[in-house]
Amino acid sequence: EVQLVESGGDLVKPGGSLRLSCVVSGYAFKTAWMSWVRQAPGKGLEWVGRIKSEINGGTTDYAAPVKGRFNISRDDAENTLYLQMNSLKTEDTAVYYCCTDSYFWGRGTLVTVSS
Amino acid sequence: DIQMTQSPSTLSASVGDSVTITCRASQGISTWVAWHQQKSGKAPKLLIYKASTLESGVPSRFSGSGSGTEFTLTISSLQPDDFATYYCQQYNTYHWTFGQGTKVEI
Repeated sequence: EVQLVESGGDLVKPGGSLRLSCVVSGYAFKTAWMSWVRQAPGKGLEWVGRIKSEINGGTTDYAAPVKGRFNISRDDAENTLYLQMNSLKTEDTAVYYCCTDSYFWGRGTLVTVSS
Repeated sequence: DIQMTQSPSTLSASVGDSVTITCRASQGISTWVAWHQQKSGKAPKLLIYKASTLESGVPSRFSGSGSGTEFTLTISSLQPDDFATYYCQQYNTYHWTFGQGTKVEI
């Protein structure tokens, strides 16, 4: 069974940083392109960014609202995806989901940015 | 980025009804469209990919069609478990974009 488990969500002040993790099991993580998608309270889904598999170069792409502030990385030995979020803004408040390239989703982790 | 315009935003229906949700892309995207179902407080779930391919385990009352810029999701004979929010999503480019969502309610 494929499982994705996110963690690391928390309450953080504007300007602060946070790192989210997503542990993947039951899936070929090493060859997977992985994405982060977020959902602000009461709103729709918004793609945050993606990391390719290492065999495809391990490069990343980001949505415009987070480019330059967020960084996605991966540890294939630990089947873990990361999202480093810096210079957080109140509008970054959302549930953050990790997602595989074939659309297996985690349950999400809540990030709240508030003073 | 490619914009996905989804309609309607809310759809009122009854058990047994057939309903259709439409998504329009701002430029041609072949058939690189997926449809996801999301229930309140839960993660999204993939229903359909490549515009019309049913994900394994998804009931056959769900169907998708379209290519280019116009796409539809149809649920025939709505069941109580189908009341949820549905999102279209394009993956023609590396930057995924989602429609605004359609809430199917009683």
